[in-house]
Parts: sequence; structure tokens; C-alpha cells
Amino acid sequence: EVQLVESGGGLAQPGGSLRLSCAASGFIFNNYAMSWVRQVPGKGLEWVSTMTGGGVHTYYADSVKGRFTISRDSSRNMVSLQMNSLRVEDTAVYYCTKRGVGTVTWSSFDPWGQGTLVTVSS
Amino acid sequence: QSALTQPASVSGSPGQSITISCNGSNSDVGGYNYVSWYQQPPGKTPKLIIYDVSYRPSGVSNRFSGSKSGNTASLTISGLQAEDEADYYCSSYTNSSTLVFGGGTKLTVL
Repeated sequence: EVQLVESGGGLAQPGGSLRLSCAASGFIFNNYAMSWVRQVPGKGLEWVSTMTGGGVHTYYADSVKGRFTISRDSSRNMVSLQMNSLRVEDTAVYYCTKRGVGTVTWSSFDPWGQGTLVTVSS
Repeated sequence: QSALTQPASVSGSPGQSITISCNGSNSDVGGYNYVSWYQQPPGKTPKLIIYDVSYRPSGVSNRFSGSKSGNTASLTISGLQAEDEADYYCSSYTNSSTLVFGGGTKLTVL
């Protein structure tokens, strides 16, 4: 069974940093692109970042480019999101998800972790 | 990276069919067959129900179907059931090598 377990959320001040981690199990980690998607409570989904299976290519939403960095550790089957220069508008639940079925990296996200809440406030 | 446009809400009675639209542009929905749909029941995490415009993952009911015409993708749910009540989101790959979601549609089963 595929499992994705996020950790690292919490309270940060504007301008501060947080590092989210996602422990993956139940699939061949190196074969799948991994992504982060966020959701402000009560609002819609927003794609944040994706890293390809081999870790060669990374992609970011304009709203986080230059501030967030996605990385993966194949020895630990983990994907991380380093979040710097945090803003109030980064407050959200952050979900870790893997590439699902389909032909390409962007075909689908499946499954999704339970999410970790990041709150940016002074 | 403007969000795809979905109706804020739709409703239907048990047994009926409903369709949720997802409007994009030539840069996303219209340009690629990488449209997905996700179901998010209240208090739960999103679940993939349609990928690559019209394909259903294993285990997803055949009451869910997807299609696309031009810059608009659609999700149809037939034989509505109470358990279908949830938020539904479309997503699409874009020509900027990014992904964009729709704003979400709240489905109410009357």
C-alpha cells in the first residue's frame, strides 16, 4: 500500500523558514515524480512544486519560485520542501503527492498524504 | 497561472446526472490532454477520479466520466448518490511546464 506521511508543519513568522518532509513507502520511489500541493483551509487547491523521479527536473509555481526548494533523498525515500522568506499568504495545508496513473509526470496525482498545516503569522 | 474556471456549486437529486465544467485556454486545457479531476469529501484529502481527460483509475466508479471540447473539460457524474457530495477540482498541465487547478465546485446531493 502506498503511503505518504508529511511532517514539519507549524507556526512560522513572516520572513522565516520551515522545512516540510514527506516519507514515502509502498512503491519504487525513484520511478515517480513527487509534488507538493497546498490548500488554504476552506479554499481551493494550488499546485506548488514538482520534482521528477530521477530528481533532474524541478518545477515551481510563480507564487513560490525563488523562495521554495523541492528536493528528494532516494536513500530515505523522502521528498522535502524548504520554504524560505515565508509570507502570510503561504498559510495552508501542504499535501505531498506522487505521480499517479497516466502517460506523463503531469497526468495525475495519486495518492495524497494527509497534509501538514503551515501557519505564517506574527 | 490563472486558475481554471469552474462553477462554484452544482446540485442534483439522487439518480440524476450532473456535469461540472472546467474552462481554460489554449495554453492549458485546450493544448494538452493532461486534465485530471479530483474528489474531496468534507474533511478528507483529494482523490483522483479522472486522468488524461477521460480515463478512470482502477476502482473508480464508472458513474464518473470525463471529456474535453476545445478549452473546456467536463466531468459528468451519472446516477447521483449521497456519497458523491464533495468538492470537485479539475487540473491541467500548462505550456509553462506548470500545473493549474480549477477553483473547485461544491456538489450538493439534494
